[in-house]
Amino acid sequence: AQKVTQAQTEISVVEKEDVTLDCVYETRDTTYYLFWYKQPPSGELVFLIRRNSFDEQNEISGRYSWNFQKSTSSFNFTITASQVVDSAVYFCALSEAYTGTASKLTFGTGTRLQVTL
Amino acid sequence: GAVVSQHPSRVICKSGTSVKIECRSLDFQATTMFWYRQFPKKSLMLMATSNEGSKATYEQGVEKDKFLINHASLTLSTLTVTSAHPEDSSFYICSASETSGSVGTDTQYFGPGTRLTVL
Repeated sequence: AQKVTQAQTEISVVEKEDVTLDCVYETRDTTYYLFWYKQPPSGELVFLIRRNSFDEQNEISGRYSWNFQKSTSSFNFTITASQVVDSAVYFCALSEAYTGTASKLTFGTGTRLQVTL
Repeated sequence: GAVVSQHPSRVICKSGTSVKIECRSLDFQATTMFWYRQFPKKSLMLMATSNEGSKATYEQGVEKDKFLINHASLTLSTLTVTSAHPEDSSFYICSASETSGSVGTDTQYFGPGTRLTVL
């Protein structure tokens, strides 16, 4: 069975600090996909990134960066120079590669990030 | 691109009534849509997988007669909460996957959610 663990329930930082959100996953699949979603107070989940299991290259998008370490089954997310608008709940999720129909997502429990001035 | 809408965004109803929630993919076709439920400060719980033109697949513990799902077209899925009771009050979120036609995985794009309050 698939499992995603986000051990950090809540993180509070001061604006401009860097912050890393941890994500550890478990799966027996050799091909799988990892995701990060952001859920601001409005409730809508915003897609941030998708990474497949064969691509271990780290990715940077503006102030966001992701570190995929297959050896430790981790897919951590770092926000550089955090801003108040980054305050949200962040979910890490895992899906298997589909074979005809879209695969279900297994979500972590989420990390609530609070960025203050 | 990849925009998913939900309607209504918020609904308050009396116990015993039925409520219909619509989920639409606005700029892409979605063979598969998913319905989730989220309790306050909790993660998303998958309720069912909705495939266009076929019956929905419900997760264990989800009553299919209570939560009716219809996926009539490639851009619309509906969730009807029948005979709603206060314990059905929750935040319901849908997602839609764009059909790519190739082996891999389709990213799920989420709607803004519907907050249901049953009095």
